[in-house]
Amino acid sequence: DTGVSQDPRHKITKRGQNVTFRCDPISEHNRLYWYRQTLGQGPEFLTYFQNEAQLEKSRLLSDRFSAERPKGSFSTLEIQRTEQGDSAMYLCASSPRGGRETDTQYFGPGTRLTVL
Amino acid sequence: DQQVKQNSPSLSVQEGRISILNCDYTNSMFDYFLWYKKYPAEGPTFLISISSIKDKNEDGRFTVFLNKSAKHLSLHIVPSQPGDSAVYFCAASGGANFGNEKLTFGTGTRLTIIP
Repeated sequence: DTGVSQDPRHKITKRGQNVTFRCDPISEHNRLYWYRQTLGQGPEFLTYFQNEAQLEKSRLLSDRFSAERPKGSFSTLEIQRTEQGDSAMYLCASSPRGGRETDTQYFGPGTRLTVL
Repeated sequence: DQQVKQNSPSLSVQEGRISILNCDYTNSMFDYFLWYKKYPAEGPTFLISISSIKDKNEDGRFTVFLNKSAKHLSLHIVPSQPGDSAVYFCAASGGANFGNEKLTFGTGTRLTIIP
């Protein structure tokens, strides 16, 4: 049984560069979520997909951020022209469809981004 | 505005005793609540959840209590074990019924179990 996986686990980049993260959800989970966590805070919601449709985006997700889930399986989160304030842990989660159990989201290990 | 609050940043408990972690929320639309445990450099791990139609849910050593009138929930761990040392996050959701499935998290409580 494989859980949610994320790649890479760590990314160090220079300000102004573009970065892309990948998330592979638990198989057969229809919903996929992205969160961001900074030091001393809990995870903050960024966006979520049901299958390939992006259903909600947080106002935290500026124009420099874009997320896709083209075939309803894995998802990518791209940050363009990175800024130091983008340094954070980016978490992906997935959940199954149907009933109250859809509210239980299972998280991956995260991608830690450091922008120099 | 912080809709989910964990007012204790840290808690130390003797091994074998009960650990009680508290969480308050302000949004009355929340109807599903979860606790996650997080070790350093890992993603949050789901522990236990409770729907607003219940006031208690138990799973092994973990019990979550919900007091809707006070907008308060708590996680009880008994007996506490050294492996329970981690950061615990409370999270809330409006649930699928409201089309609002995103989780709103508290800031976490760091639990340290003293051997």
